Amino acid sequence: DGGITQSPKYLFRKEGQNVTLSCEQNLNHDAMYWYRQDPGQGLRLIYYSQIVNDFQKGDIAEGYSVSREKKESFPLTVTSAQKNPTAFYLCASVQGAGANVLTFGAGSRLTVL
Amino acid sequence: QKEVEQNSGPLSVPEGAIASLNCTYSDRVSQSFFWYRQYSGKSPELIMSIYSNGDKEDGRFTAQLNKASQYVSLLIRDSQPSDSATYLCAAPISSGSARQLTFGSGTQLTVLP
Repeated sequence: DGGITQSPKYLFRKEGQNVTLSCEQNLNHDAMYWYRQDPGQGLRLIYYSQIVNDFQKGDIAEGYSVSREKKESFPLTVTSAQKNPTAFYLCASVQGAGANVLTFGAGSRLTVL
Repeated sequence: QKEVEQNSGPLSVPEGAIASLNCTYSDRVSQSFFWYRQYSGKSPELIMSIYSNGDKEDGRFTAQLNKASQYVSLLIRDSQPSDSATYLCAAPISSGSARQLTFGSGTQLTVLP
């Protein structure tokens, strides 16, 4: 079945550690996105990529980094510079550039101990 | 002013009633609007999209769009306990040289049996 796979589903991190969240899609979608969601809040855009080897900062990119070496993969690294990383992270993709109907992964919940 | 703003919740309605969810957006150029439903701990799923002024009906759901007022709403008829979730409104909003799908903070709906 086509879809987006995020891993791990749950992740615990000690302060000062970098962690990487995986996002893989087999939908042949061009654009991929990373969102952060805090309790009772909407989704805030961290980074997005419309084509391979290119990505753009979203509204809250500080403390995060991404890469897009393959069309199928868009991993997100939460660095130690992110002061409050505990959140629910959602990866999404869409066919073609620009805002359109997003397909979401199941999400990764990161907790800083 | 938030770019996409939803009526504050939480909202509780009795089973069988009509639930009304509202959303306003800041970008007059926006042409497409989306309602996502998100169950607790899960990723958002698209339930309605609307592109033209007026009403769009899909089963028990009706989306209403008024571009002049920059207002979009979602009505849920014959509300069921299974409709209890957070509903997110989304619209493409200009951000620099790009337009990105921007989400409201969500309205939490509880349907009481």
